[in-house]
Amino acid sequence: KAGVTQTPRYLIKTRGQQVTLSCSPISGHRSVSWYQQTPGQGLQFLFEYFSETQRNKGNFPGRFSGRQFSNSRSEMNVSTLELGDSALYLCASSPAGTGKVNTEAFFGQGTRLTVV
Amino acid sequence: LAKTTQPISMDSYEGQEVNITCSHNNIATNDYITWYQQFPSQGPRFIIQGYKTKVTNEVASLFIPADRKSSTLSLPRVSLSDTAVYYCLVGDMNTGFQKLVFGTGTRLLVSP
Repeated sequence: KAGVTQTPRYLIKTRGQQVTLSCSPISGHRSVSWYQQTPGQGLQFLFEYFSETQRNKGNFPGRFSGRQFSNSRSEMNVSTLELGDSALYLCASSPAGTGKVNTEAFFGQGTRLTVV
Repeated sequence: LAKTTQPISMDSYEGQEVNITCSHNNIATNDYITWYQQFPSQGPRFIIQGYKTKVTNEVASLFIPADRKSSTLSLPRVSLSDTAVYYCLVGDMNTGFQKLVFGTGTRLLVSP
């Protein structure tokens, strides 16, 4: 079956702009989570959505937001971009559900965002 | 979530067995141990997950001692394509939601 699809793969934005990244999870997966990866901070959890609701949130400023649609597709938005937001943004989908034991997360290839 | 400690880097040669050990002294009763592999500019890929004793799949084995304060990922007969960063994660898999806490990982370099 198709894997996790993230678009676009690469993006260049200017400081102060905003950006929206998209993630299509594996069919049937209702949990979508987002991660930021930088050389300095490594892989950091941003937030997780399940059935259109944010269930968990990492320690990122309010400029980072997201949403999930009824078809489980998710978008992540970063407003007022800063140079430090340059990173690989990864989306993961999971069959995780309420009260169920997690198995594994399936990651997309990521969106490489460069802020200049 | 329990913190993990693993070596920053390891070197090996093709055909050798590689064992990467991860310490997680504060692991909780409901925590599972999961290992991911990541190649440059790609998302992490699930390798193996376990709770206790030994787990084996077509890619690797995971050894977990009785006290569960550490775990060892074993990669049999590595090849050049196994050069990657390997992450050990510990977390409560019974919560139902997905929040992975990645440490610094172990950068494995396999040479000819």
